[in-house]
Amino acid sequence: DTAVSQTPKYLVTQMGNDKSIKCEQNLGHDTMYWYKQDSKKFLKIMFSYNNKELIINETVPNRFSPKSPDKAHLNLHINSLELGDSAVYFCASSRAGQTPYFGPGTRLTVT
Amino acid sequence: KQEVTQIPAALSVPEGENLVLNCSFTDSAIYNLQWFRQDPGKGLTSLLLIQSSQREQTSGRLNASLDKSSGRSTLYIAASQPGDSATYLCAVFNNAGNMLTFGGGTRLMVKP
Repeated sequence: DTAVSQTPKYLVTQMGNDKSIKCEQNLGHDTMYWYKQDSKKFLKIMFSYNNKELIINETVPNRFSPKSPDKAHLNLHINSLELGDSAVYFCASSRAGQTPYFGPGTRLTVT
Repeated sequence: KQEVTQIPAALSVPEGENLVLNCSFTDSAIYNLQWFRQDPGKGLTSLLLIQSSQREQTSGRLNASLDKSSGRSTLYIAASQPGDSATYLCAVFNNAGNMLTFGGGTRLMVKP
């Protein structure tokens, strides 16, 4: 009965690889987000989707491509991974303007 | 562009103390303000949500206030306990309610 789930929880990969992180929510929310938390623990929004439509893309390199096959899923695909992509990535969902529910995070390490 | 700042960045107190965490934001056109808690290696847990029309919210030993016109919020924790040790994050929703901007957090340590 997990509200927002992400897979995998840990991801270790080499520079130049392509990887995906999956996110699913079972709360019936219409808005989903991806956030990046860097080594200094600062959380920054990357993308916001409402009803499968991209509404916010915050200066994220185009190597990052979100995909929302339906309202309950927002996956993050990253091409040509770089060392600086190492971070914890959080998926979240909410009704517009309401408290977002966060997933447990995916710790990505690029070596 | 909205910027959210939290002071102090880190705080260490003995058990039982009352404490105040501060949050400021640059754009007062917000939908609401929220306080979250993050434990090491974990996701975020929502603590309190204050709508833009409200002045404060309370939950147990926690009280959050909002002064929208001055761009400030405080989180008051009464009678702190070691279990309160965590990072506390302040975040504001933009007017459209589709973008949440976070502060850098206050890392709190409550010593027994």
